[in-house]
Amino acid sequence: EAQVTQNPRYLITVTGKKLTVTCSQNMNHEYMSWYRQDPGLGLRQIYYSMNVEVTDKGDVPEGYKVSRKEKRNFPLILESPSPNQTSLYFCASSHGQGKQPQHFGDGTRLSIL
Amino acid sequence: QKEVEQNSGPLSVPEGAIASLNCTYSDRGSQSFFWYRQYSGKSPELIMFIYSNGDKEDGRFTAQLNKASQYVSLLIRDSQPSDSATYLCAVNPLHSAGGTSYGKLTFGQGTILTVHP
Repeated sequence: EAQVTQNPRYLITVTGKKLTVTCSQNMNHEYMSWYRQDPGLGLRQIYYSMNVEVTDKGDVPEGYKVSRKEKRNFPLILESPSPNQTSLYFCASSHGQGKQPQHFGDGTRLSIL
Repeated sequence: QKEVEQNSGPLSVPEGAIASLNCTYSDRGSQSFFWYRQYSGKSPELIMFIYSNGDKEDGRFTAQLNKASQYVSLLIRDSQPSDSATYLCAVNPLHSAGGTSYGKLTFGQGTILTVHP
């Protein structure tokens, strides 16, 4: 089954404690993205990757890091999480260039206390 | 001005009616336009995508694109209560900060649609 898998689905943690949200896709997609979704603000792109070792900033990259060492994986790293990063996070992947629709994971709800 | 704007909801229509959702975008060079549906607590799922001016129909859904006026709309015919969800417009800009940005996707804030029996 084609899917984008995020882990964990839920996480409550404290300010400053480094965390990683993993994302993996089994569709051999070149493009992968991370979004955060906040009430009234919609989905905002954090980072995206066009292929292995190729990443670029989205609209809200501050406080986040990503890496793309393998085609299937695109982890999101919060080196020093802060309460304003409490949000619902989605990973997505797509095939080819920007014309292709994105397939979303089920989401990760992060709470930073 | 936001890059992608959607008409503020919530939008409420009776069952069987046509629901009309609108979206405007600021980047005139934008090439790809998507409509996603998101049920509460779930991830977005693709409804329609459109690249060329005009209409594109898929079942009860019609996407309309007018690049000259920089708007894209989604019409839902014979609306059903199961169509009640948040509808997200997304745009892929051809250029971002002076370079191509095929991976970039900008979403509107979403319109909540309620279809009442």
